[in-house]
Amino acid sequence: DQQVKQNSPSLSVQEGRISILNCDYTNSMFDYFLWYKKYPAEGPTFLISISSIKDKNEDGRFTVFLNKSAKHLSLHIVPSQPGDSAVYFCAASFSFSGAGSYQLTFGKGTKLSVIP
Amino acid sequence: DGGITQSPKYLFRKEGQNVTLSCEQNLNHDAMYWYRQDPGQGLRLIYYSQIVNDFQKGDIAEGYSVSREKKESFPLTVTSAQKNPTAFYLCASKLQGEAGELFFGEGSRLTVL
Repeated sequence: DQQVKQNSPSLSVQEGRISILNCDYTNSMFDYFLWYKKYPAEGPTFLISISSIKDKNEDGRFTVFLNKSAKHLSLHIVPSQPGDSAVYFCAASFSFSGAGSYQLTFGKGTKLSVIP
Repeated sequence: DGGITQSPKYLFRKEGQNVTLSCEQNLNHDAMYWYRQDPGQGLRLIYYSQIVNDFQKGDIAEGYSVSREKKESFPLTVTSAQKNPTAFYLCASKLQGEAGELFFGEGSRLTVL
């Protein structure tokens, strides 16, 4: 059973426009969410995170929105740039897992292509 | 510079051979993780370790083994029991304690011929 879902395998956006990547989760106990960016044959790099006590977190061109009632989060990239072309992974965790159990659960990723 | 080093970057092996992937970190992180990435599958957790000499199975541990004899090192052995070992393997680490991001290595691509 997939607990973190990214239902769009791919997304194409024109340079300068907004990119919106979506993520849904099923486990209501998740309370900390992260977005990672990944280029082919490289490790993922952390982009931005949000705790469930907030509904928005912004860092430069990147903003993450969290809707707890809908169990949905989204990543907005404005303006989109060709260098943003990559696979984006949504991940979720419990902020307190007890000793020995902290882990991230990842979605399957969305491939973003920003067209010049 | 601090970071996570995975080696080798690319590895080819014959079917039936055991393979060990190295992961070393100098970030002084307590927790270390191994993930596997397959096309369209996202990242799936194989094993993780929160402290030295202790580790737990993740979602897809069958056919893999790990050890954590030193804080800095968390090698992964892909055994002959792993039915589909060809994949991209990612090691990650994190400070123990509160929620936060995992720091990933560059990955190791294993191809079984």
